[in-house]
Amino acid sequence: SQTIHQWPATLVQPVGSPLSLECTVEGTSNPNLYWYRQAAGRGLQLLFYSVGIGQISSEVPQNLSASRPQDRQFILSSKKLLLSDSGFYLCAWSVIPGSAEAFFGQGTRLTVV
Amino acid sequence: AQRVTQPEKLLSVFKGAPVELKCNYSYSGSPELFWYVQYSRQRLQLLLRHISRESIKGFTADLNKGETSFHLKKPFAQEEDSAMYYCALSTGTYKYIFGTGTRLKVLA
Repeated sequence: SQTIHQWPATLVQPVGSPLSLECTVEGTSNPNLYWYRQAAGRGLQLLFYSVGIGQISSEVPQNLSASRPQDRQFILSSKKLLLSDSGFYLCAWSVIPGSAEAFFGQGTRLTVV
Repeated sequence: AQRVTQPEKLLSVFKGAPVELKCNYSYSGSPELFWYVQYSRQRLQLLLRHISRESIKGFTADLNKGETSFHLKKPFAQEEDSAMYYCALSTGTYKYIFGTGTRLKVLA
């Protein structure tokens, strides 16, 4: 069966420090991968999606970047965190473009101090 | 622009009362719509999708293209229905667009 792993679960980082959140999927090939940010009152905001290795689409201009070095690995990064980067980050995957269920990871609570 | 609107941030109902969580969308093509649910300390998961026309845990949702709505309904709320509910739109490309969510509280 397919599973999605996301880590760490919680992270406290100082302003200006780098960030790396990792997401891996098991049990499927060539998934579509997504990074969302969940903020109170703002719902789930799509940050990045990827349809293949090295292919990244950015939805909103921001201080973050994403990479997909392997088929089932999706990484969210920042060179220098801002206070406004605090939030709950969710990784997700789906198989069929947009028409099938998206499966979500457990999420990472990031607090920038 | 593609958009999903959930007007209620919080909806409180008593156990046994009917529930309706509102969702309106904006999309010029043929949308695919979903309801996702997040129970306390659990990951976000699919509740139902409009193409399946199914009832899950007593919930149903009908796509009304004229009103561009996809409201989630249940005739008799249960305490275990308390959760965060998100309406989502897929445009058939690679993106899922979510609403801001509605927290449902079912009171004993």
